[in-house]
Amino acid sequence: RKEVEQDPGPFNVPEGATVAFNCTYSNSASQSFFWYRQDCRKEPKLLMSVYSSGNEDGRFTAQLNRASQYISLLIRDSKLSDSATYLCVVTSGNTPLVFGKGTRLSVIA
Amino acid sequence: DTAVSQTPKYLVTQMGNDKSIKCEQNLGHDTMYWYKQDSKKFLKIMFSYNNKELIINETVPNRFSPKSPDKAHLNLHINSLELGDSAVYFCASSQGTGGISGNTIYFGEGSWLTVV
Repeated sequence: RKEVEQDPGPFNVPEGATVAFNCTYSNSASQSFFWYRQDCRKEPKLLMSVYSSGNEDGRFTAQLNRASQYISLLIRDSKLSDSATYLCVVTSGNTPLVFGKGTRLSVIA
Repeated sequence: DTAVSQTPKYLVTQMGNDKSIKCEQNLGHDTMYWYKQDSKKFLKIMFSYNNKELIINETVPNRFSPKSPDKAHLNLHINSLELGDSAVYFCASSQGTGGISGNTIYFGEGSWLTVV
């Protein structure tokens, strides 16, 4: 089983839609979780950390389910500018980040 | 000012050549990394340095040799390039090691290497 697994998509959604991505991880000792965003031909950038209690940043909500070992990202009211690849990232404390392959989102006008 | 800068951005070279990619960060971070993103978009760590000391060396052919002259620079030298080395190489840095919440990793814009 891969360390971090994501549905590669693509998810094609109309503007204004709500879309959710899930990510599963295999290492139960994982401690820190993140969502990164990568635009086409650009570097990955931190979108948000994922906290145990769940957290929200504007239209973005991240959730963590330790029992089932998955994290999720919910995007409400999708904008054209949300089109990108969303990378699920997991680490076990002082170990390197492990990236999923990413889920591609296309928001269509 | 670009926080993490790497050069060259694009590099096309022949098999068997030796090439280097340079990276500099002006964020005052202690830790620097090299990541490789292949054609399948899988981003995988290659090396990590903390204060000029190698702390992570993943299973990477020894044709790849990182060098950190100081904590603001981490260069990547590749000997005897092979077709399979074609990828995007991202340099990155963070204040601490690993990905503890608060230790955001900042990536450079990537170096697009094509071996022909």
